[in-house]
Amino acid sequence: DAGVIQSPRHEVTEMGQEVTLRCKPISGHDYLFWYRQTMMRGLELLIYFNNNVPIDDSGMPEDRFSAKMPNASFSTLKIQPSEPRDSAVYFCASSPTGLHSYNSPLHFGNGTRLTVT
Amino acid sequence: GQQLNQSPQSMFIQEGEDVSMNCTSSSIFNTWLWYKQDPGEGPVLLIALYKAGELTSNGRLTAQFGITRKDSFLNISASIPSDVGIYFCAGQETTNFGNEKLTFGTGTRLTIIP
Repeated sequence: DAGVIQSPRHEVTEMGQEVTLRCKPISGHDYLFWYRQTMMRGLELLIYFNNNVPIDDSGMPEDRFSAKMPNASFSTLKIQPSEPRDSAVYFCASSPTGLHSYNSPLHFGNGTRLTVT
Repeated sequence: GQQLNQSPQSMFIQEGEDVSMNCTSSSIFNTWLWYKQDPGEGPVLLIALYKAGELTSNGRLTAQFGITRKDSFLNISASIPSDVGIYFCAGQETTNFGNEKLTFGTGTRLTIIP
């Protein structure tokens, strides 16, 4: 199992540009999560999906952020237009169920480090 | 929303020393979890705690679920170089909509001084 795969690993863009982050969850996992990590705010949940359906997007900062999961093996997080304050590491994670435990742990990808200048 | 206060924010220790960190919350969780993040990677689950008072070990790691359900601690005994990283607590609660929500602490960065 290759684990959760995120791309790109690093993204540097100018303010105002559109940014698309991609994620391939572990096969068979029904839940997919997008997190943002910054020094100031730590790990924040942005949105999560269950069986490709968005369940809770209350963590999405504002309308500039959108996430989709068109099928069980792919999700995107898009920022349009991007701003310098969006600079952070964005993690995708997947799990078999929504109940976090030893039997159903969150598996994180290695993250995308986004820098907006 | 939920706030998880994790302390200390950073620790500088020598190899072989024991480490202790803790998390406190403003309200109750039904599960506490501890994760470790290595540089350039995502967090990985270390220990999960499911009931108040529970004490669980995983090798040199020991964690406890506080009696009040509002706190948890993690101890690492006889630290080794590969313990370097950021440790996160996380609390799980059932929301009003019936789904489970995980909130992470701000992290404790562990550095081992040679």
